[in-house]
Amino acid sequence: DTEVTQTPKHLVMGMTNKKSLKCEQHMGHRAMYWYKQKAKKPPELMFVYSYEKLSINESVPSRFSPECPNSSLLNLHLHALQPEDSALYLCASSPGTGGREQFFGPGTRLTVL
Amino acid sequence: GEDVEQSLFLSVREGDSSVINCTYTDSSSTYLYWYKQEPGAGLQLLTYIFSNMDMKQDQRLTVLLNKKDKHLSLRIADTQTGDSAIYFCAENDNAGNMLTFGGGTRLMVKP
Repeated sequence: DTEVTQTPKHLVMGMTNKKSLKCEQHMGHRAMYWYKQKAKKPPELMFVYSYEKLSINESVPSRFSPECPNSSLLNLHLHALQPEDSALYLCASSPGTGGREQFFGPGTRLTVL
Repeated sequence: GEDVEQSLFLSVREGDSSVINCTYTDSSSTYLYWYKQEPGAGLQLLTYIFSNMDMKQDQRLTVLLNKKDKHLSLRIADTQTGDSAIYFCAENDNAGNMLTFGGGTRLMVKP
């Protein structure tokens, strides 16, 4: 298994909803990442987990809450989002931190109404 | 700080070679990457080059690195319509934790 999977593929939510994005990899990678990508822009790093511990939080608002239940899973819990949070959310994994290549999932297209 | 720049758009004819250019500023980067993104999809890692290399070839792809000028290029030989996509170059930070992406180059391949 050499891929990163993400669910759901599309998500529409209201500003008062609570939802979660899920990411899974079975490549034995020990680093996992969340990125946000707006249309026609490059991905922007949100969070980095290394060995299941949060190592980088790029000053992301608290309405985004990451969770790493085990080395294969990464969640992003969403609450009280704003319409400007609508974007493609990409998960990635790498064998470890330290310059190794990152493999991306297909993304979740999020629309906040 | 880190800054990675790319031209916005490139149009080529099918069968021609495409050259996508990238400049970066962080001289401490260990690896430099090329990713491909098709519409509505995630990023596909195409290739990467270690900073002490000048060139890397992988089938139709050739990566050239000029470390002195901080210039990276991706050459696609015999470009096909399926190569139409946005191509991002990226560099890692000193610790290797973070990728900084360029703005992306949209490659359009005309039949």
